[in-house]
Amino acid sequence: EVRLVESGGGLVQRGGSLTLSCGASGFIVTNNYMTWVRQAPGKGLEWVSVIQSLGSAYYADSVQGRFTVSRDKSKNTLYLQMNSLRTEDTAIYYCARDDPAFSSSLINWGQGTLVTVSS
Amino acid sequence: DIQMTQSPSSLSASVGDRVSLTCRASQSVSRYLSWYQQKPGEAPRLLIYGTSSLQNGVPSRFSGSGSGTEFTLTISRLQPEDFATYYCQQSYSIPYTFGQGTKVEIK
Repeated sequence: EVRLVESGGGLVQRGGSLTLSCGASGFIVTNNYMTWVRQAPGKGLEWVSVIQSLGSAYYADSVQGRFTVSRDKSKNTLYLQMNSLRTEDTAIYYCARDDPAFSSSLINWGQGTLVTVSS
Repeated sequence: DIQMTQSPSSLSASVGDRVSLTCRASQSVSRYLSWYQQKPGEAPRLLIYGTSSLQNGVPSRFSGSGSGTEFTLTISRLQPEDFATYYCQQSYSIPYTFGQGTKVEIK
């Protein structure tokens, strides 16, 4: 069974840094495309980043240059390093498995982790 | 970036109704269009991928259609568990943008 579990969220001051983790089971993270999506309180979904199986990474303009996605094969874990955090980065952050065989739809999702950036 | 626009933003319907939700793209996304359902406090769930393919385990009352810039999610007979917010997403061009959502409420 595929399972994704995010962790690392919390309260951080504006300008600070935080690293989110997404532990996976039931599949190999480095063999898959993995995506981060966020949702501000009471708002819709926002695509944040994707890392493809060969390691190429892409970002939304809103986080480009501040966020970095990476993977650890030995831990089967996906990460999102977030620097220079802004109040508008406050959101629930979800990791998801992106399957090109399914038209790059987000097949599996974690339960999310809340990041709150205070001013 | 490709902009995705959903309509309506919300709708009220009764159990048993047939409802259709629309998603429009600012440029063609071919058939790279997915639909997700999200209930309060839960993560989104994939319903439809590739415009019209039903994800495993999703009831057959859900269907998707369209191509290019206009897409539709139809729920043939609304059930109590279908009251939720629905999002479309294009996966044609990075960034893979979402629509703003359509909230389906009980009339």
